[in-house]
Amino acid sequence: GENVEQHPSTLSVQEGDSAVIKCTYSDSASNYFPWYKQELGKRPQLIIDIRSNVGEKKDQRIAVTLNKTAKHFSLHITETQPEDSAVYFCAENYGGATNKLIFGTGTLLAVQP
Amino acid sequence: ETGVTQTPRHLVMGMTNKKSLKCEQHLGHNAMYWYKQSAKKPLELMFVYSLEERVENNSVPSRFSPECPNSSHLFLHLHTLQPEDSALYLCASSQDGSTNEKLFFGSGTQLSVL
Repeated sequence: GENVEQHPSTLSVQEGDSAVIKCTYSDSASNYFPWYKQELGKRPQLIIDIRSNVGEKKDQRIAVTLNKTAKHFSLHITETQPEDSAVYFCAENYGGATNKLIFGTGTLLAVQP
Repeated sequence: ETGVTQTPRHLVMGMTNKKSLKCEQHLGHNAMYWYKQSAKKPLELMFVYSLEERVENNSVPSRFSPECPNSSHLFLHLHTLQPEDSALYLCASSQDGSTNEKLFFGSGTQLSVL
């Protein structure tokens, strides 16, 4: 079936360092790849997304890259801050008429001050 | 932020109980979703409703019964649950349920089945 592999499961960085989270998907027809952030005890919220017709997208300190050939996409956070500490979920929408996101298992990012 | 509101926030129930989870969205959206979030597992899509019609049932056991009386309200009726059903149940909404839409999540109901 459809699945998304996400690594690492936990990531600890020093404040100011960069963090990279990687996801691999299986369906070559997938065309939409969002990233959601879930702070402790709070709801998941979309932070950035990328569609299959572009290779990279940036929004201030966060960026996402997509390699369609290798079927993987990555989230990059630069100049990390303590408020970046959260669980980050990648997802793919493997198309069809329904908005049906398949999520990764999540990465717990801890930014040490 | 109160775009998508879920009640109750916490629920403890026995395996023979019947309970319902409620979700309400104030965003004017036409699609609503139920997701299950278990520890160390991906968010699992359970049901999708678009314009009050169920358009997706992701092989969910019949002890979970959704209801969408209108585009602003979504319920999940629970009966004879198992301990492995303990999880955070998240409701979400989106504009109209078509592909590649942003999901707006509620804060979830933390369910414990004893």
